[in-house]
Amino acid sequence: AAGVIQSPRHLIKEKRETATLKCYPIPRHDTVYWYQQGPGQDPQFLISFYEKMQSDKGSIPDRFSAQQFSDYHSELNMSSLELGDSALYFCASSPPGGQQLEQYFGPGTRLTVT
Amino acid sequence: GEDVEQSLFLSVREGDSSVINCTYTDSSSTYLYWYKQEPGAGLQLLTYIFSNMDMKQDQRLTVLLNKKDKHLSLRIADTQTGDSAIYFCAESPNTGGFKTIFGAGTRLFVKA
Repeated sequence: AAGVIQSPRHLIKEKRETATLKCYPIPRHDTVYWYQQGPGQDPQFLISFYEKMQSDKGSIPDRFSAQQFSDYHSELNMSSLELGDSALYFCASSPPGGQQLEQYFGPGTRLTVT
Repeated sequence: GEDVEQSLFLSVREGDSSVINCTYTDSSSTYLYWYKQEPGAGLQLLTYIFSNMDMKQDQRLTVLLNKKDKHLSLRIADTQTGDSAIYFCAESPNTGGFKTIFGAGTRLFVKA
């Protein structure tokens, strides 16, 4: 069965650079969520999109932005990267009507900022 | 506010039962979840419970919910070495949005 795809799987950037993380939800899923998990920490909710509109916002820094496109894939854009942005970034998707109940997580993108 | 708390470590012997506890603060949460994360891997939804339920059983997993005390527990019967992972308790506050709040995770060690 198809799963959530995230790319790249690993990314190394330097401070003050920009990074773009991509998420491809499971086909026919209309809701996408982004989470940030620092080393040894719990996942922190960043932002979610439902039908290409932002549906909820968590602890996402102003340096980050995200959007969901017409094909439902989503991109998380991170600018002016800081060392503290090094983390595992998870994307999750859920089907119509599923939302909170059924979040399927991708494998994550490991971002390292040096 | 929204907060989920759980103990950080649990060690059990293979074949014993594991009980992982969690407390949450948002009484409006409709769904409460248990996720499993193996090293270097993503989050896997293990089970969930609706806030109007007291208990849910799914094979070796039993979830107990005490809504009055805002206490959630996950019992794993006949724990196996393959159950070694981090277990996250999570809630979805009924804020009209779609976010999930996670606890810090309980690292379960299973000794053979």
